[in-house]
Amino acid sequence: DVKVTQSSRYLVKRTGEKVFLECVQDMDHENMFWYRQDPGLGLRLIYFSYDVKMKEKGDIPEGYSVSREKKERFSLILESASTNQTSMYLCASSFQTNTGELFFGEGSRLTVL
Amino acid sequence: AQTVTQSQPEMSVQEAETVTLSCTYDTSESDYYLFWYKQPPSRQMILVIRQEAYKQQNATENRFSVNFQKAAKSFSLKISDSQLGDAAMYFCAYLSHASNTGKLIFGQGTTLQVKP
Repeated sequence: DVKVTQSSRYLVKRTGEKVFLECVQDMDHENMFWYRQDPGLGLRLIYFSYDVKMKEKGDIPEGYSVSREKKERFSLILESASTNQTSMYLCASSFQTNTGELFFGEGSRLTVL
Repeated sequence: AQTVTQSQPEMSVQEAETVTLSCTYDTSESDYYLFWYKQPPSRQMILVIRQEAYKQQNATENRFSVNFQKAAKSFSLKISDSQLGDAAMYFCAYLSHASNTGKLIFGQGTTLQVKP
């Protein structure tokens, strides 16, 4: 079975802290994604990566950065957390072939105080 | 730009009954894919069903089927014989066939409650 693992299910951070959200997949997928999920807004794409060290901005990249040093790992970084970044963060991965099937992690719920 | 709209924030259904979740989308493209994803409480989101726009036949997966109306840009999900395990948030999603990155556009989600 495909497994996408997010390092933390729940995090509480303070405003201004640097936050790392880690995601690891075990299916040798080329594509990896970070989405943000908010009530009434659905899922919005923050960043995605289609290869090691390659990244592209999604719809809401402001305040975030990403890192993909290894194929299986995709990290989301909040350089200076703010309260409006309190949200559920979902990592997903897929093969490069354009089938549209994403495999998701369980999510990381971040609260910024 | 493409958009996906789910106008029903919440729905409920009695166990064993049938429920239909609505989704509309906006695009100028003719070739694309549509999806329904399911997010159970505190569990991973999974793909329920997939429809290719060039196929006129509606996709089905066991108790799940879609009503794809291309001209109306409508893509509803029908769940037959609802079970308690169907309780979840359901997301409609769109993927351009021209996309080589697998970037999906999601709707706002519909929370489905199943009553015993």
